[in-house]
Amino acid sequence: EAEVAQSPRYKITEKSQAVAFWCDPISGHATLYWYRQILGQGPELLVQFQDESVVDDSQLPKDRFSAERLKGVDSTLKIQPAELGDSAMYLCASSLQGDTENEQFFGPGTRLTVL
Amino acid sequence: AQKVTQAQTEISVVEKEDVTLDCVYETRDTTYYLFWYKQPPSGELVFLIRRNSFDEQNEISGRYSWNFQKSTSSFNFTITASQVVDSAVYFCALSGGYTNAGKSTFGDGTTLTVKP
Repeated sequence: EAEVAQSPRYKITEKSQAVAFWCDPISGHATLYWYRQILGQGPELLVQFQDESVVDDSQLPKDRFSAERLKGVDSTLKIQPAELGDSAMYLCASSLQGDTENEQFFGPGTRLTVL
Repeated sequence: AQKVTQAQTEISVVEKEDVTLDCVYETRDTTYYLFWYKQPPSGELVFLIRRNSFDEQNEISGRYSWNFQKSTSSFNFTITASQVVDSAVYFCALSGGYTNAGKSTFGDGTTLTVKP
């Protein structure tokens, strides 16, 4: 069964350091999402890609976060510099298209701890 | 803006009991979709069910059923004869139409514990 892959699964870093997360969506899925999930809360959308283009990054803290999906397949989310408040689970998801009706398939997430 | 509220933070039941998870949403769109996702302790969200805004017919799928009432903006989810493996966090999500460009908004989840 096709799955969304993410790495690493866990990341511990010190504040001010740079971190990067990788996501490989299900083959053929045009839409890729990055979410941040703080403990006890629901996922919050950070950025949404349609192929290689960003269609929504309104909640992405652009002073420190960046995301790219250069070839419209896998994607990287970067934080530089990391802050204590960035500690959270970072989830990647993909769907066939970015239409309202399509369910999203989620990866296992990367749990980030900033010390 | 759209919003999803799951008022129940935690629910605990004994195995074989039925349990209903509540979800109330807000949106200005006339066309939208509602979803339920399950997040087990392993962390990976799994899609469960979907309902579009034009179809208020309630359905049953195995032990799952859902009650969509547009008049009260509610989309409740019921698990019949709960099992220990149903223990997880359940999220209701709203995927908006024109005014929200298909953006998904999740509630804060309901933690369900099913005790043997």
